[in-house]
Amino acid sequence: DQQVKQNSPSLSVQEGRISILNCDYTNSMFDYFLWYKKYPAEGPTFLISISSIKDKNEDGRFTVFLNKSAKHLSLHIVPSQPGDSAVYFCAASGDSWGKLQFGAGTQVVVTP
Amino acid sequence: ETGVTQTPRHLVMGMTNKKSLKCEQHLGHNAMYWYKQSAKKPLELMFVYSLEERVENNSVPSRFSPECPNSSHLFLHLHTLQPEDSALYLCASSQVRGYEAFFGQGTRLTVV
Repeated sequence: DQQVKQNSPSLSVQEGRISILNCDYTNSMFDYFLWYKKYPAEGPTFLISISSIKDKNEDGRFTVFLNKSAKHLSLHIVPSQPGDSAVYFCAASGDSWGKLQFGAGTQVVVTP
Repeated sequence: ETGVTQTPRHLVMGMTNKKSLKCEQHLGHNAMYWYKQSAKKPLELMFVYSLEERVENNSVPSRFSPECPNSSHLFLHLHTLQPEDSALYLCASSQVRGYEAFFGQGTRLTVV
């Protein structure tokens, strides 16, 4: 049973425009959410996170929004750059060991 | 050297072989993880070690055997694998009760 879902396997966006990636979760015990970025042949790289006590966290071009009542979070990248082309994974945690549940990922392609 | 390092990067093994994957972290973390990423699927947590003790085993077949001799090193011993075990195996580390896991670059395993 997949507790973290990314329903869009791919997203294509023009350079300079906004990329919006979505993620839904089912486990109400999750209290920390993260986004990871992955290039081919590399491990995932931590991008940005948000605690359940907040509804927004911003870091440069990246902003994560959390809607707890809807069990939904999103990642906004603005402006999108060609180097942002990668697979983006949403992850959630709700235990003390830091164990992460991952979504299936969204492939983002930024075109010139 | 910093971060999480995995060796080898690529491994091809027969179904009767025995091999080991190695992971080393230089971040001072005290929890380490093995994840498996199969094609088109989310990252799946295999094992969690916290303070060198295994705290979780996600119903992984016994042909995968983890070992954590100290807080900096993690091994995954492989024996009589099946072709469906071919995948990217990722090691990660974090602080116990921390949430941001840092990943190695992974070992691309092919079982023939």
